[in-house]
Amino acid sequence: AQKVTQAQTEISVVEKEDVTLDCVYETRDTTYYLFWYKQPPSGELVFLIRRNSFDEQNEISGRYSWNFQKSTSSFNFTITASQVVDSAVYFCALSEAGGNTDKLIFGTGTRLQVFP
Amino acid sequence: KAGVTQTPRYLIKTRGQQVTLSCSPISGHRSVSWYQQTPGQGLQFLFEYFSETQRNKGNFPGRFSGRQFSNSRSEMNVSTLELGDSALYLCASSLARAGFLADTQYFGPGTRLTVL
Repeated sequence: AQKVTQAQTEISVVEKEDVTLDCVYETRDTTYYLFWYKQPPSGELVFLIRRNSFDEQNEISGRYSWNFQKSTSSFNFTITASQVVDSAVYFCALSEAGGNTDKLIFGTGTRLQVFP
Repeated sequence: KAGVTQTPRYLIKTRGQQVTLSCSPISGHRSVSWYQQTPGQGLQFLFEYFSETQRNKGNFPGRFSGRQFSNSRSEMNVSTLELGDSALYLCASSLARAGFLADTQYFGPGTRLTVL
């Protein structure tokens, strides 16, 4: 069965601190995709990144970076120099590859609170 | 390009009633998926439509149904509402390119349904 685990329920930091959100996944598929979404208080899920199972390169986008390690089935997300606007719930998700579907399996989310 | 739109944004119904939610995907997107988000169960996949056909379905009772029109717009219907159906219902659309596994899904702002 496919599963995504986000063990951190809530993280609080002070502005300018670095913070890492953990994501561990389980899947039997050899081809799969991983995603991170951000959900601000407005409720809309905002797409942040997509990574396929064959690309283990880390990625940096501004203050955001992602560390994908197949050996540990992890896809962690780091925010450098956090800002108050980063406060949101962050979800890691796994695609159900095969069967020609876009279905996503989500983790339970990590609520990040950044205090000024 | 306009994002995914959902109507209505808020809805209050009573037990036993039925409700229809609407979703307009991003222009050119052919797949529409629906998710239910509750504090207890998190984000759960309801169903996905592509070319007016349901191509995947989550583990929800038959009271939950949906359809997709030729212009890719989608509706979901919940009949005989129960208190537990109170949730944020999120719609997502993707390009669903042929031969492309798990295209990125872009989410709408959601419809918050309250069942009294």
